[in-house]
Amino acid sequence: SQTIHQWPATLVQPVGSPLSLECTVEGTSNPNLYWYRQAAGRGLQLLFYSVGIGQISSEVPQNLSASRPQDRQFILSSKKLLLSDSGFYLCAWNLGGNSYEQYFGPGTRLTVT
Amino acid sequence: AQSVTQLGSHVSVSEGALVLLRCNYSSSVPPYLFWYVQYPNQGLQLLLKYTSAATLVKGINGFEAEFKKSETSFHLTKPSAHMSDAAEYFCAVSEEYGNNRLAFGKGNQVVVIP
Repeated sequence: SQTIHQWPATLVQPVGSPLSLECTVEGTSNPNLYWYRQAAGRGLQLLFYSVGIGQISSEVPQNLSASRPQDRQFILSSKKLLLSDSGFYLCAWNLGGNSYEQYFGPGTRLTVT
Repeated sequence: AQSVTQLGSHVSVSEGALVLLRCNYSSSVPPYLFWYVQYPNQGLQLLLKYTSAATLVKGINGFEAEFKKSETSFHLTKPSAHMSDAAEYFCAVSEEYGNNRLAFGKGNQVVVIP
């Protein structure tokens, strides 16, 4: 069966510091991968998605970036965090093709101070 | 672009009463529709999905939803609320173009009153 991991689970970082969040999927090959941010009371915002290694699409211009160095690894980064980057970050995967359901990881709670 | 409307950010229901969460979608193509549940500080868990087979879809934890094309709706119901149903619920519709994206509603926070 498939499993999705995210780490760290929680993170407190000062404004201006760098960020690296990691997501890995087990038990499947060539998944579509997605990064979402969930701010309090604001639903889910799609940040990036990837259909393959090195292929990243950005949904919202911001100071975040994403990379997919391996088939089942998806990384969210920032060079300098802003207060507005605080939130709950969720990674999700999907089989692609005619499959639309997405499966979510446990999330990372980021607080920028 | 496809979109989902979920009215009422907070929904209160008494334990044992009917749970009804409304979802209306807009889509220019036959949609795939989903309901997800999120418990505090956890990821989203798939409750059920509609993928153009039966219009009445049964999911986990006693939930079901009915696809009504004429009303562009996919409302979620559970006959009898349990305390463990307290969570946030999201409706989602498939995006028309590419990459299997989903458009999510803003969510309903369900509070169960004992």
